[in-house]
Amino acid sequence: GEDVEQSLFLSVREGDSSVINCTYTDSSSTYLYWYKQEPGAGLQLLTYIFSNMDMKQDQRLTVLLNKKDKHLSLRIADTQTGDSAIYFCAERGNTGTASKLTFGTGTRLQVTL
Amino acid sequence: GAVVSQHPSWVICKSGTSVKIECRSLDFQATTMFWYRQFPKQSLMLMATSNEGSKATYEQGVEKDKFLINHASLTLSTLTVTSAHPEDSSFYICSARGGAGQNTGELFFGEGSRLTVL
Repeated sequence: GEDVEQSLFLSVREGDSSVINCTYTDSSSTYLYWYKQEPGAGLQLLTYIFSNMDMKQDQRLTVLLNKKDKHLSLRIADTQTGDSAIYFCAERGNTGTASKLTFGTGTRLQVTL
Repeated sequence: GAVVSQHPSWVICKSGTSVKIECRSLDFQATTMFWYRQFPKQSLMLMATSNEGSKATYEQGVEKDKFLINHASLTLSTLTVTSAHPEDSSFYICSARGGAGQNTGELFFGEGSRLTVL
């Protein structure tokens, strides 16, 4: 089946940029997503990218997609303490509107002062 | 934006009892809802996919008789954990697809429900 992998932990200083990486195996992925989960809460969609794009920017967030290498990254500029959370990447295969998302293992981002 | 609400947020129950968790899409019609289970410091594990008016599709290894899912309307899906045991203690999260997210496939998540079985 599909597999999505992420590094487990990232620590950055406030004001620096954070880069969270994700690799996936499904070559038929249509959309790829980044979700944020704060402690004890559900998931909040941050951004998504269609598979025929290689970059998407939304304010402090930049998503880069290397479809050939099946590598997705999320860059957070000027990281703030409020960005501390778990970040999940997810991919959606090409099996119609009922297709499910496969989530990565999550990367815990810790922002230090 | 699309809002999904879960209830209850926290539930503590005795072993052997059944617990029902509700998932509602508040401002859109959810044609498909998903139920996930999340263990501490782990990713989301998809339990089942439910489509309004039809039986849920369970993932491999998920007991359909233990985790009953009902999606009777386009705005409500319920997960009932029957005869709960301590190993069922977990964080259960629902998500819904529909409305503006129908084409892009994005899911809107509920706040999650933490179940503790004593």
